[in-house]
Amino acid sequence: QLLLQESGPGLVKPSETLSLTCTVSGGSISSSFYYWGWIRQPPGKGLEWIGSIYYTGSTYYNPSLKSRPTISLHTAKNQFFLRLSSVTAADTAVYYCVRGAGYNSLDFDSWGQGTLVTVSS
Amino acid sequence: DIQMTQSPSSLSASVGDRVTITCRASQSISTYLNWYQQKPGKAPDLLIYAASSLQSGVPSRFSGSGSGTDFTLTISSLQPEDFATYYCQQSSSTPITFGQGTRLEIK
Repeated sequence: QLLLQESGPGLVKPSETLSLTCTVSGGSISSSFYYWGWIRQPPGKGLEWIGSIYYTGSTYYNPSLKSRPTISLHTAKNQFFLRLSSVTAADTAVYYCVRGAGYNSLDFDSWGQGTLVTVSS
Repeated sequence: DIQMTQSPSSLSASVGDRVTITCRASQSISTYLNWYQQKPGKAPDLLIYAASSLQSGVPSRFSGSGSGTDFTLTISSLQPEDFATYYCQQSSSTPITFGQGTRLEIK
């Protein structure tokens, strides 16, 4: 069974960089069938796609985040990562790591449990 | 960006009711439309992909239809565990976008 688990600091100061890790078990991020990505959800609000990465390192990002996110991966550790620079209070959210499947690899069929990141001084 | 608009934003219904939620895309997305269910404090679960295909393990009372710009999610007979928030998502092009959600509450 595929499991995704987010980890990282729960509190980040404004203007600093948010860094999260997603550890995948029960499947390989080197599979050619899937993309891997990040989605966030501010408290009480809806879902926002941040970006996705393929095992080759090819990435897609949401332009609304203005070049702040960077997604990378470490295939040997079966992990992928999110860095979000210059955070503000508006970046406070539950961050989910996800697997993208389907024809466009953009059907999110597996999700981590989510991790709350609060941006505050 | 493709805008996704769901209606209604909230809905009250009773166990056993038939419920329909709609999702409209700002431009044609063929059948690149997914539906998710989210319960409080939990990650969303994929229910329907490609507009009408049932994800493995999802009960058959859930069904999806539509193509182009207009889509529906139908629950044929509501069960207590179905009270949750439902989101549509287009997978036609990046940036991926979601509807604002429909909160399904017990009447």
